[in-house]
Amino acid sequence: DTGVSQDPRHKITKRGQNVTFRCDPISEHNRLYWYRQTLGQGPEFLTYFQNEAQLEKSRLLSDRFSAERPKGSFSTLEIQRTEQGDSAMYLCASSLGQRGSEQYFGPGTRLTVT
Amino acid sequence: GEDVEQSLFLSVREGDSSVINCTYTDSSSTYLYWYKQEPGAGLQLLTYIFSNMDMKQDQRLTVLLNKKDKHLSLRIADTQTGDSAIYFCAESTPGNQFYFGTGTSLTVIP
Repeated sequence: DTGVSQDPRHKITKRGQNVTFRCDPISEHNRLYWYRQTLGQGPEFLTYFQNEAQLEKSRLLSDRFSAERPKGSFSTLEIQRTEQGDSAMYLCASSLGQRGSEQYFGPGTRLTVT
Repeated sequence: GEDVEQSLFLSVREGDSSVINCTYTDSSSTYLYWYKQEPGAGLQLLTYIFSNMDMKQDQRLTVLLNKKDKHLSLRIADTQTGDSAIYFCAESTPGNQFYFGTGTSLTVIP
């Protein structure tokens, strides 16, 4: 399977704990995006990488959120000191990086903070 | 320029045309997109249009863009039950940030 994969698919954690999600993009894609989607809403842009460089961050990305893409391949999104409001589906997408190029979305990681 | 709005629900009869509308606020948008999300599945890109175009047709799909009014529409001809899904419009900015609408849930009645 050469699509975008995310791990884990589901995560339940207690408030205050740290969580880390992983995204493996399509191998030749140099752009990688993170989004958050809550029920009844569209995906909200969080951040994106061009290779290993983090080029844009939404103001939605508080200090408790950090994303890395150390070798320009897979990426991790860490949430520290989780809050109940962090409960959402976290989506990863990748693209070739040319203008208008299609973003391919992964299946998402559903986070539930209790 | 991050407000992308859509009506929440649309019902059509099988075989009729569906028109899903979207308005956006960022005049610097470079591309506008339509995505489809089926229950339990990821987002799938249906089509996109460059901001200097006013129409694009792809088989049963027709995208119309009114840049002056910042209005985008997706017309699905001969709507089928398999078209039932949530449809999101999205815009991308010159800085490559993407903003999605809240989604329109399309129900096709047999």
